[in-house]
Amino acid sequence: KAGVTQTPRYLIKTRGQQVTLSCSPISGHRSVSWYQQTPGQGLQFLFEYFSETQRNKGNFPGRFSGRQFSNSRSEMNVSTLELGDSALYLCASSLARNTGELFFGEGSRLTVL
Amino acid sequence: TQLLEQSPQFLSIQEGENLTVYCNSSSVFSSLQWYRQEPGEGPVLLVTVVTGGEVKKLKRLTFQFGDARKDSSLHITAAQPGDTGLYLCAGEETSGSRLTFGEGTQLTVNP
Repeated sequence: KAGVTQTPRYLIKTRGQQVTLSCSPISGHRSVSWYQQTPGQGLQFLFEYFSETQRNKGNFPGRFSGRQFSNSRSEMNVSTLELGDSALYLCASSLARNTGELFFGEGSRLTVL
Repeated sequence: TQLLEQSPQFLSIQEGENLTVYCNSSSVFSSLQWYRQEPGEGPVLLVTVVTGGEVKKLKRLTFQFGDARKDSSLHITAAQPGDTGLYLCAGEETSGSRLTFGEGTQLTVNP
């Protein structure tokens, strides 16, 4: 079956702009989690959605937001981009809540200039 | 949030050598997972350990969960260039609310 699909794979933005990233989970998976990966910080948890509801949130400012649709697809949005937002944003899906095996997408590489 | 520390951060070895990667915390985890991430890819699950003291083997990889469920190790025997990648440990918090990842160990196996 198809894996987790993230779009776009690469994007370049400038400071102050906003960006929306998309994630399509594995068919049948209802939980979607988002992580930010940077060389110095590793994988930092952003948030988790399950059945269209945000179930858990990491320690990120309010500029980072997300949502999940009825078909389990998820989007995350970052507003007023800062240089430090440059990172690989990874989406992971799982059958149940944010535990058990996570299936990751290839990520969206965001560069903020 | 419970924290996980991995060591070493970087490891460069020759093909055929053995190595061990450590994942430590002061907190207890319900379970611990190990992932491997290759360039341009997302992490892929290697194993999940659940019981304190548990040892799991996956070909040349041996995973151990500490008796107190606070730490874990990954041992690779006779490393091969194909083992090159970023190895991440991830602990399931006892509250069951999230997975916490370590910063990873970047392994390079030179032919």
